[in-house]
Amino acid sequence: DAGVIQSPRHEVTEMGQEVTLRCKPISGHNSLFWYRQTMMRGLELLIYFNNNVPIDDSGMPEDRFSAKMPNASFSTLKIQPSEPRDSAVYFCASSQGGASGNTIYFGEGSWLTVV
Amino acid sequence: DAKTTQPTSMDCAEGRAANLPCNHSTISGNEYVYWYRQIHSQGPQYIIHGLKNNETNEMASLIITEDRKSSTLILPHATLRDTAVYYCIVRAENAGTASKLTFGTGTRLQVTL
Repeated sequence: DAGVIQSPRHEVTEMGQEVTLRCKPISGHNSLFWYRQTMMRGLELLIYFNNNVPIDDSGMPEDRFSAKMPNASFSTLKIQPSEPRDSAVYFCASSQGGASGNTIYFGEGSWLTVV
Repeated sequence: DAKTTQPTSMDCAEGRAANLPCNHSTISGNEYVYWYRQIHSQGPQYIIHGLKNNETNEMASLIITEDRKSSTLILPHATLRDTAVYYCIVRAENAGTASKLTFGTGTRLQVTL
């Protein structure tokens, strides 16, 4: 199994630019999660989907952030416009089913630097 | 989700067992205990999880006390590659929708020669 695949792995962009992070969950998984990790705040859940439907987006920091899941095999996290404080590692994760006994698997992350 | 308490850091000699404790005194009956680790610059890696019974897999063993208020992750023969931050997470069931993981600050395990 290829695991959760994220792209790009690294991105450096200028303040004000649009950033799009992409995620391909593990085949057959129907729950998808976006997390952000910074030194100051640790790992934070931004949003998660179940069967392509957003369940809880209360962790999305502000309107500049948006996430979509147009189909079961693809999700995007978009930041527009980006700001230096958005610099972080963004992780995508997926699980087969939403029950608490189903393991969540993480991708390797997208390292974002906004200058 | 129930809160967890872990030591900030621990050391372990290579080849010895690493025993990482976790307190979760407010855990509910349908909440699982999950352990993940994060090696520098990598994504969180699933280790093991359990509900009531002790569990063992190729990576580790999970010992859950009878009252479920605490647990211990055991790495039987720690190696330098086990140096990482270890997260103990109590995961609540979310009826009808997906159940999330809420990460704390974890335990930084340093394995030394």
